[in-house]
Amino acid sequence: GNSVTQMEGPVTLSEEAFLTINCTYTATGYPSLFWYVQYPGEGLQLLLKATKADDKGSNKGFEATYRKETTSFHLEKGSVQVSDSAVYFCALSDSGGGADGLTFGKGTHLIIQP
Amino acid sequence: GAVVSQHPSWVICKSGTSVKIECRSLDFQATTMFWYRQFPKQSLMLMATSNEGSKATYEQGVEKDKFLINHASLTLSTLTVTSAHPEDSSFYICSASDLTRLQETQYFGPGTRLLVL
Repeated sequence: GNSVTQMEGPVTLSEEAFLTINCTYTATGYPSLFWYVQYPGEGLQLLLKATKADDKGSNKGFEATYRKETTSFHLEKGSVQVSDSAVYFCALSDSGGGADGLTFGKGTHLIIQP
Repeated sequence: GAVVSQHPSWVICKSGTSVKIECRSLDFQATTMFWYRQFPKQSLMLMATSNEGSKATYEQGVEKDKFLINHASLTLSTLTVTSAHPEDSSFYICSASDLTRLQETQYFGPGTRLLVL
């Protein structure tokens, strides 16, 4: 079956630091890959997605590249802000993301200190 | 746009009672809705998928008689936890998608925390 493994947190960084959150996956076929973010008290929001190998998803300064050879989809940001503090979930779907349920990683709690 | 709400946001009930959780898409028609369950420090686990007007499809290991799902309209799905027990205490999250849109994306509700005493 499908599975997603992401680095466990909490991850604590200073403002303007470089961020990497690792995510690897196991899946049959060619899944779509996602990063969701959950701010305190809110529902999960789609941060970015990639639907095929070598695609790069990007949004709000975050980016992740779909690497089929390493089955990875690491999240990066060059300079984090306090407002980026949240829980980040890596996920995959057998479809584009709307027709099938998502398989999630456990989430990584990111804390950015001023 | 694409807002999903859940009600209630939290509920406490006695063991043996039933609890209904509502999931609504506020500004779009949800052709498909999903229900997830999240344990502390664990990932979201898909419980079931429902398409409007059809019976829900449950994931392996999820008791369909325990977790009743109804998706009677394009804006509302309900999850009823029947004869709840303490082990049903969890965080339940719904999501919704509109497969008629070109961009397939699931939009998530804020979740409902259930505590069974």
